[in-house]
Amino acid sequence: DVKVTQSSRYLVKRTGEKVFLECVQDMDHENMFWYRQDPGLGLRLIYFSYDVKMKEKGDIPEGYSVSREKKERFSLILESASTNQTSMYLCASSLSIPDTQYFGPGTRLTVL
Amino acid sequence: GDSVTQMEGPVTLSEEAFLTINCTYTATGYPSLFWYVQYPGEGLQLLLKATKADDKGSNKGFEATYRKETTSFHLEKGSVQVSDSAVYFCALSLRSGNTPLVFGKGTRLSVIA
Repeated sequence: DVKVTQSSRYLVKRTGEKVFLECVQDMDHENMFWYRQDPGLGLRLIYFSYDVKMKEKGDIPEGYSVSREKKERFSLILESASTNQTSMYLCASSLSIPDTQYFGPGTRLTVL
Repeated sequence: GDSVTQMEGPVTLSEEAFLTINCTYTATGYPSLFWYVQYPGEGLQLLLKATKADDKGSNKGFEATYRKETTSFHLEKGSVQVSDSAVYFCALSLRSGNTPLVFGKGTRLSVIA
């Protein structure tokens, strides 16, 4: 069965902290994605990756970076967390870029 | 650019009522179309999809038909249950190139007993 896991369901951090959100998929998918979900705004794509060590900016990359050192793992990094980054973060993976995406359960991040 | 427009929610229905959530799209090519569902506290999961015109996707009593002439992919269910309460997202993909799925903003459905 398809599985995408995220390192934390809930996370509370302080302004200015460096934050790592981890995502792991066990489907040998080439492509992985990070979204944030906010009320009234739907899903917004932050970054995606189509291969190890490759990344592409999505719609809202500012304030974020990503790392993909292994095929199964895609990390989202907030270099210096700010309160406007309080949100639900969703990771997804897919076999090809336009194909069905499989989502993790999400990490609800609160920045105080 | 490519986009998906969904009806705004929230939608509140009584149990056993008929459900329609409208979705229309704009795309330069011939997209595949998807409906995802997000239950409270969870990530999104694929509900159904259709890859070409006149295809009907169906799952768990939900249906949607790919209508190229009206560029629509409306989600329907004949009799909703309380357990269908969730947020529903319509999405498209262009099936080629390196463009990820384009999602609508989601429609929240609440079903009351």
